[in-house]
Amino acid sequence: QKEVEQDPGPLSVPEGAIVSLNCTYSNSAFQYFMWYRQYSRKGPELLMYTYSSGNKEDGRFTAQVDKSSKYISLFIRDSQPSDSATYLCAMSGYTGFQKLVFGTGTRLLVSP
Amino acid sequence: DVKVTQSSRYLVKRTGEKVFLECVQDMDHENMFWYRQDPGLGLRLIYFSYDVKMKEKGDIPEGYSVSREKKERFSLILESASTNQTSMYLCASRPPARQNEQYFGPGTRLTVT
Repeated sequence: QKEVEQDPGPLSVPEGAIVSLNCTYSNSAFQYFMWYRQYSRKGPELLMYTYSSGNKEDGRFTAQVDKSSKYISLFIRDSQPSDSATYLCAMSGYTGFQKLVFGTGTRLLVSP
Repeated sequence: DVKVTQSSRYLVKRTGEKVFLECVQDMDHENMFWYRQDPGLGLRLIYFSYDVKMKEKGDIPEGYSVSREKKERFSLILESASTNQTSMYLCASRPPARQNEQYFGPGTRLTVT
């Protein structure tokens, strides 16, 4: 079993829809939870990160962490065609030198 | 803005060739990483470096080596390229006090024929 599971998609939605992207994980030591966005033929860029449980909002994006269920989500409100990309979740522990563990990514397609 | 650059966007090499992939970052980050990205497998860590001349194996180091002679530069070496090393290679750097933030380069798509 992979440490981090993520549905590869593609997830196709119309412009303006609310998008929900999710990851599950098995390692209870994870404390940092990140979302990266990767456009085609580009490197991933950090979108948001949260520490431990709770919600974090940044514009149209909301990251949510439920440690009891080992489940994280990224919500995109009023989705735009420019949001079409692959979204990768990533996680790490807290103490010592931490390597990130990535999900395989979910491809999102937002049609005009 | 953090800038991570990689020497080539696309590279085609023959089986058995020695291949060098270069990565440079301009933010004085101590930590640097090399990943490969393959469909269905996501990002897998090949090697990382704490600091100059320091290197550690990641999850899939076989067939690769690295060099870090200067803080800003981290090189990935394929000693004898094989077709199963055809992949997207991504370099990243990170400030040591912010372990959750990695900054990626644009990637090098390597094809080994």
